[in-house]
Amino acid sequence: DAGVIQSPRHEVTEMGQEVTLRCKPISGHNSLFWYRQTMMRGLELLIYFNNNVPIDDSGMPEDRFSAKMPNASFSTLKIQPSEPRDSAVYFCASTLRAGGPRDTQYFGPGTRLTVL
Amino acid sequence: KQEVTQIPAALSVPEGENLVLNCSFTDSAIYNLQWFRQDPGKGLTSLLLIQSSQREQTSGRLNASLDKSSGRSTLYIAASQPGDSATYLCAVRSGNTGKLIFGQGTTLQVKP
Repeated sequence: DAGVIQSPRHEVTEMGQEVTLRCKPISGHNSLFWYRQTMMRGLELLIYFNNNVPIDDSGMPEDRFSAKMPNASFSTLKIQPSEPRDSAVYFCASTLRAGGPRDTQYFGPGTRLTVL
Repeated sequence: KQEVTQIPAALSVPEGENLVLNCSFTDSAIYNLQWFRQDPGKGLTSLLLIQSSQREQTSGRLNASLDKSSGRSTLYIAASQPGDSATYLCAVRSGNTGKLIFGQGTTLQVKP
């Protein structure tokens, strides 16, 4: 298996622009997570899905952030409009079933976002 | 609200040394605890998962312990190697959801 795939790996954009990050989870995994990592705040959960349904979006910072999972093999995280403080590494992770006793999340390589 | 703290933030040791990384959490009502490794520019890789009912888990040169009552976990690395250089993060799951709360990590450098 190719693991969790994220694109793009690097994104540089200007303040006010729309940014879309993409994730393909491991085939057969039913849960998908979006995280953000910064030096100041560390790794934070933004939102996660079970069977394509958003379960917990309490970590989504503002209405500027939105996430979708139209099917089991694809998810997007969109920021509109982007701001410099959104600069971070965004990770996607997937697992067979969130909350299972031996639930282990498999992480993608991340997207490094820079908003100028 | 669960908070996870890792000390030290950075550690540098000579090759061959045994070392201990520390993780503490504020709410002892956890479901499980995981240790991850993160290499520069890469995602996280799960190393060990300890259920709340367990005291320790071992994988090769790695041993993780859990003391729920005191809110602490340690990751012991035996006979460290330069390839062990990475950032190590612990994460706590507090319920039967998938939500993980991460510590800030300890960045380890093992010098040849």
